[in-house]
Amino acid sequence: DAKTTQPPSMDCAEGRAANLPCNHSTISGNEYVYWYRQIHSQGPQYIIHGLKNNETNEMASLIITEDRKSSTLILPHATLRDTAVYYCIVRARDDKIIFGKGTRLHILP
Amino acid sequence: GAVVSQHPSRVICKSGTSVKIECRSLDFQATTMFWYRQFPKQSLMLMATSNEGSKATYEQGVEKDKFLINHASLTLSTLTVTSAHPEDSSFYICSALNPGNRGVNEQFFGPGTRLTVL
Repeated sequence: DAKTTQPPSMDCAEGRAANLPCNHSTISGNEYVYWYRQIHSQGPQYIIHGLKNNETNEMASLIITEDRKSSTLILPHATLRDTAVYYCIVRARDDKIIFGKGTRLHILP
Repeated sequence: GAVVSQHPSRVICKSGTSVKIECRSLDFQATTMFWYRQFPKQSLMLMATSNEGSKATYEQGVEKDKFLINHASLTLSTLTVTSAHPEDSSFYICSALNPGNRGVNEQFFGPGTRLTVL
Protein backbone atom coordinates (compact mmCIF):
# COMPACT_ATOMS: atom_id res chain seq x y z
CA ASP A 1 0.00 0.00 0.00
CA ALA A 2 1.13 3.53 -0.78
CA LYS A 3 2.00 5.45 2.36
CA THR A 4 1.00 8.82 0.98
CA THR A 5 -2.17 10.77 0.23
CA GLN A 6 -2.33 13.25 -2.63
CA PRO A 7 -5.18 15.17 -4.27
CA PRO A 8 -6.22 13.40 -7.47
CA SER A 9 -5.88 16.48 -9.64
CA MET A 10 -4.86 20.13 -9.63
CA ASP A 11 -4.82 23.03 -12.05
CA CYS A 12 -2.18 25.73 -12.28
CA ALA A 13 -1.85 28.70 -14.60
CA GLU A 14 1.20 28.77 -16.81
CA GLY A 15 3.97 30.89 -15.30
CA ARG A 16 2.64 30.58 -11.78
CA ALA A 17 4.03 28.41 -9.01
CA ALA A 18 2.50 24.96 -8.72
CA ASN A 19 2.27 23.72 -5.13
CA LEU A 20 1.54 20.01 -4.83
CA PRO A 21 0.73 18.73 -1.35
CA CYS A 22 1.37 15.28 0.06
CA ASN A 23 0.42 13.73 3.39
CA HIS A 24 2.59 10.97 4.86
CA SER A 25 1.57 10.81 8.50
CA THR A 26 3.03 7.33 9.10
CA ILE A 27 6.52 8.09 7.78
CA SER A 28 9.34 6.36 9.65
CA GLY A 29 12.57 7.95 10.78
CA ASN A 30 14.67 6.30 8.08
CA GLU A 31 12.27 7.02 5.23
CA TYR A 32 12.77 9.72 2.69
CA VAL A 33 10.19 11.69 0.74
CA TYR A 34 10.68 11.29 -3.01
CA TRP A 35 8.86 12.96 -5.85
CA TYR A 36 8.62 11.57 -9.36
CA ARG A 37 6.52 12.63 -12.29
CA GLN A 38 5.23 10.78 -15.31
CA ILE A 39 4.47 12.54 -18.52
CA HIS A 40 1.96 10.70 -20.68
CA SER A 41 3.29 7.42 -22.09
CA GLN A 42 6.78 7.89 -20.68
CA GLY A 43 8.69 6.36 -17.78
CA PRO A 44 8.70 8.18 -14.43
CA GLN A 45 11.21 10.98 -13.98
CA TYR A 46 12.93 11.74 -10.69
CA ILE A 47 12.34 15.26 -9.43
CA ILE A 48 13.68 15.64 -5.90
CA HIS A 49 13.91 13.95 -2.53
CA GLY A 50 14.53 14.89 1.09
CA LEU A 51 14.70 13.55 4.61
CA LYS A 52 13.81 16.43 6.88
CA ASN A 53 15.39 19.58 5.52
CA ASN A 54 13.92 21.57 2.70
CA GLU A 55 15.59 20.85 -0.62
CA THR A 56 15.92 22.74 -3.90
CA ASN A 57 17.30 21.75 -7.26
CA GLU A 58 16.99 22.99 -10.81
CA MET A 59 13.56 21.44 -11.21
CA ALA A 60 11.74 22.11 -7.97
CA SER A 61 11.73 22.79 -4.26
CA LEU A 62 10.62 20.38 -1.56
CA ILE A 63 9.23 21.70 1.69
CA ILE A 64 8.89 19.14 4.50
CA THR A 65 7.05 20.04 7.69
CA GLU A 66 8.92 19.85 10.94
CA ASP A 67 6.99 16.78 12.08
CA ARG A 68 7.63 15.22 8.64
CA LYS A 69 4.00 14.23 8.29
CA SER A 70 3.45 16.24 5.13
CA SER A 71 5.36 17.93 2.35
CA THR A 72 4.85 20.22 -0.62
CA LEU A 73 6.50 20.07 -4.00
CA ILE A 74 6.88 23.49 -5.58
CA LEU A 75 7.41 24.04 -9.29
CA PRO A 76 8.32 27.73 -9.25
CA HIS A 77 7.27 28.73 -12.76
CA ALA A 78 5.04 26.09 -14.28
CA THR A 79 5.07 25.57 -18.03
CA LEU A 80 2.86 23.46 -20.28
CA ARG A 81 5.61 20.82 -20.29
CA ASP A 82 5.04 20.32 -16.58
CA THR A 83 1.66 18.74 -17.27
CA ALA A 84 2.05 15.25 -15.81
CA VAL A 85 1.10 12.93 -12.97
CA TYR A 86 3.18 13.70 -9.89
CA TYR A 87 3.89 10.95 -7.41
CA CYS A 88 4.91 11.52 -3.79
CA ILE A 89 6.62 8.42 -2.42
CA VAL A 90 7.90 7.57 1.02
CA ARG A 91 10.61 4.94 1.22
CA ALA A 92 13.89 4.01 2.77
CA ARG A 93 17.00 4.12 0.58
CA ASP A 94 17.26 1.24 -1.89
CA ASP A 95 13.73 0.12 -1.11
CA LYS A 96 11.42 -0.71 -3.96
CA ILE A 97 9.21 2.16 -5.08
CA ILE A 98 5.50 1.65 -4.55
CA PHE A 99 3.44 4.15 -6.51
CA GLY A 100 0.18 5.58 -5.26
CA LYS A 101 -2.35 7.28 -7.48
CA GLY A 102 -0.49 10.59 -7.65
CA THR A 103 -1.76 14.03 -8.58
CA ARG A 104 -2.62 14.83 -12.16
CA LEU A 105 -1.36 18.39 -12.70
CA HIS A 106 -2.90 20.39 -15.52
CA ILE A 107 -1.05 23.53 -16.55
CA LEU A 108 -3.47 25.99 -18.08
CA PRO A 109 -2.30 28.35 -20.83
CA GLY B 1 22.12 11.37 -15.19
CA ALA B 2 22.11 7.60 -15.54
CA VAL B 3 20.28 6.14 -18.52
CA VAL B 4 18.05 3.10 -18.67
CA SER B 5 16.80 1.84 -22.00
CA GLN B 6 14.08 -0.61 -22.96
CA HIS B 7 13.63 -2.59 -26.11
CA PRO B 8 11.34 -2.73 -27.93
CA SER B 9 9.48 0.52 -27.30
CA ARG B 10 6.28 -1.05 -28.57
CA VAL B 11 5.30 -4.51 -29.70
CA ILE B 12 2.16 -6.05 -31.15
CA CYS B 13 1.78 -9.80 -31.01
CA LYS B 14 -0.81 -12.49 -31.50
CA SER B 15 -2.52 -14.19 -28.61
CA GLY B 16 -0.59 -17.25 -27.40
CA THR B 17 2.86 -16.02 -28.38
CA SER B 18 5.65 -15.03 -26.00
CA VAL B 19 7.21 -11.60 -25.92
CA LYS B 20 10.57 -10.62 -24.47
CA ILE B 21 11.27 -7.11 -23.21
CA GLU B 22 14.81 -5.98 -22.43
CA CYS B 23 15.88 -3.45 -19.83
CA ARG B 24 19.45 -2.14 -19.93
CA SER B 25 21.39 0.19 -17.70
CA LEU B 26 23.61 2.02 -20.17
CA ASP B 27 26.22 3.70 -18.02
CA PHE B 28 26.14 1.94 -14.68
CA GLN B 29 25.94 -1.54 -13.25
CA ALA B 30 22.67 -2.48 -11.64
CA THR B 31 22.50 -5.49 -9.36
CA THR B 32 18.83 -4.74 -8.80
CA MET B 33 16.17 -3.88 -11.33
CA PHE B 34 12.42 -3.61 -11.00
CA TRP B 35 9.56 -4.35 -13.37
CA TYR B 36 6.27 -2.46 -13.35
CA ARG B 37 3.05 -2.70 -15.31
CA GLN B 38 0.67 0.17 -15.97
CA PHE B 39 -2.85 -0.08 -17.36
CA PRO B 40 -4.52 2.96 -18.95
CA LYS B 41 -5.35 5.74 -16.50
CA GLN B 42 -3.90 3.75 -13.63
CA SER B 43 -0.75 4.00 -11.56
CA LEU B 44 2.34 1.86 -11.96
CA MET B 45 2.10 -1.52 -10.28
CA LEU B 46 5.27 -3.24 -9.14
CA MET B 47 5.48 -6.75 -10.56
CA ALA B 48 8.83 -8.03 -9.42
CA THR B 49 12.32 -7.28 -8.22
CA SER B 50 15.08 -8.64 -10.41
CA ASN B 51 18.42 -9.47 -8.78
CA GLU B 52 21.52 -10.23 -10.81
CA GLY B 53 22.53 -13.83 -10.48
CA SER B 54 19.53 -14.93 -8.45
CA LYS B 55 15.83 -15.56 -8.80
CA ALA B 56 13.45 -12.66 -9.08
CA THR B 57 11.12 -11.78 -6.23
CA TYR B 58 7.53 -11.44 -7.38
CA GLU B 59 4.85 -9.29 -5.79
CA GLN B 60 1.71 -10.92 -4.52
CA GLY B 61 -0.66 -11.86 -7.30
CA VAL B 62 1.93 -11.81 -10.07
CA GLU B 63 2.33 -15.18 -11.80
CA LYS B 64 6.01 -16.04 -11.92
CA ASP B 65 5.49 -18.71 -14.57
CA LYS B 66 3.77 -16.23 -16.84
CA PHE B 67 6.17 -13.34 -16.35
CA LEU B 68 9.66 -14.80 -16.58
CA ILE B 69 12.45 -12.54 -15.40
CA ASN B 70 16.12 -13.08 -16.11
CA HIS B 71 18.89 -10.83 -14.82
CA ALA B 72 21.93 -12.51 -16.27
CA SER B 73 24.29 -9.55 -16.24
CA LEU B 74 24.81 -6.35 -14.30
CA THR B 75 23.38 -4.27 -17.13
CA LEU B 76 20.54 -6.38 -18.50
CA SER B 77 17.27 -7.72 -17.18
CA THR B 78 14.64 -9.32 -19.39
CA LEU B 79 10.92 -9.82 -18.87
CA THR B 80 9.25 -12.50 -20.96
CA VAL B 81 5.48 -12.52 -21.12
CA THR B 82 4.66 -16.13 -21.92
CA SER B 83 1.54 -17.17 -23.82
CA ALA B 84 0.37 -13.58 -23.97
CA HIS B 85 -3.34 -12.81 -24.02
CA PRO B 86 -5.21 -9.57 -24.67
CA GLU B 87 -5.49 -8.89 -20.93
CA ASP B 88 -1.68 -8.73 -20.80
CA SER B 89 -1.76 -5.67 -23.03
CA SER B 90 -0.19 -2.94 -20.95
CA PHE B 91 2.68 -0.50 -20.56
CA TYR B 92 5.67 -2.28 -19.02
CA ILE B 93 8.32 -0.15 -17.33
CA CYS B 94 11.60 -1.15 -15.76
CA SER B 95 13.84 0.69 -13.34
CA ALA B 96 17.42 0.11 -12.28
CA LEU B 97 19.12 0.82 -8.99
CA ASN B 98 22.42 2.67 -9.23
CA PRO B 99 24.10 2.31 -5.83
CA GLY B 100 26.88 4.59 -7.01
CA ASN B 101 24.49 7.51 -7.09
CA ARG B 102 23.75 7.70 -3.40
CA GLY B 103 22.86 11.10 -2.09
CA VAL B 104 21.24 12.21 -5.34
CA ASN B 105 18.87 9.72 -6.86
CA GLU B 106 19.61 6.08 -7.11
CA GLN B 107 16.72 4.64 -9.09
CA PHE B 108 16.29 5.32 -12.80
CA PHE B 109 13.36 4.38 -14.99
CA GLY B 110 13.27 3.19 -18.55
CA PRO B 111 10.98 4.78 -21.17
CA GLY B 112 8.55 1.87 -21.12
CA THR B 113 7.37 -0.78 -23.58
CA ARG B 114 3.81 -0.78 -24.85
CA LEU B 115 2.58 -4.32 -25.43
CA THR B 116 -0.56 -4.95 -27.45
CA VAL B 117 -1.82 -8.52 -27.69
CA LEU B 118 -4.32 -9.14 -30.45
